Amino acid sequence: GENVEQHPSTLSVQEGDSAVIKCTYSDSASNYFPWYKQELGKRPQLIIDIRSNVGEKKDQRIAVTLNKTAKHFSLHITETQPEDSAVYFCAASSGNTGKLIFGQGTTLQVKP
Amino acid sequence: EPEVTQTPSHQVTQMGQEVILRCVPISNHLYFYWYRQILGQKVEFLVSFYNNEISEKSEIFDDQFSVERPDGSNFTLKIRSTKLEDSAMYFCASSELTWDVGELFFGEGSRLTVL
Repeated sequence: GENVEQHPSTLSVQEGDSAVIKCTYSDSASNYFPWYKQELGKRPQLIIDIRSNVGEKKDQRIAVTLNKTAKHFSLHITETQPEDSAVYFCAASSGNTGKLIFGQGTTLQVKP
Repeated sequence: EPEVTQTPSHQVTQMGQEVILRCVPISNHLYFYWYRQILGQKVEFLVSFYNNEISEKSEIFDDQFSVERPDGSNFTLKIRSTKLEDSAMYFCASSELTWDVGELFFGEGSRLTVL
């Protein structure tokens, strides 16, 4: 079935450094790839998304890249800040029901 | 900013009891979803709902589960005969469209604890 693999499971960086989280997906029909940030006990919140007709998208300190051939996409956070500390989930969607398949999550810790 | 609301925020129930989790999606949204997240794990798709019927469901969504839109605003998830392993955070979500996949807006979640 559809599967999304996410790495690393934990990531610790110093404030100001960059962080990269990578995901691979199995369903070649996937066409929408959102990234969610989840703080402890809170709902997942969309931080950036990319569609299959685009290779890269940037929003201030956050960027996402997509390689359809290799079926992987990555989240890049530059100039990390302590408030970026959270669990980040990638997801992929295909078909016409809007179902999202989530990766396992990455716990990002930004040390001041 | 419109948001998805869920009640209750936390429910504790005895094993074997039935629970109903309620959600009010964003008013102009047409697609509704339930996801669950077992503590410390990933978010898992349960079911999608459109035009008053289930459009897709996962293997998790067996006969123990049902969804309903009893009126024009509420979207409910019923879990019959709860089991210990049903303990999780249940998130409702809604989106405006899926033919060109739109953003899913998640509610704050309902934490279910089965004792």
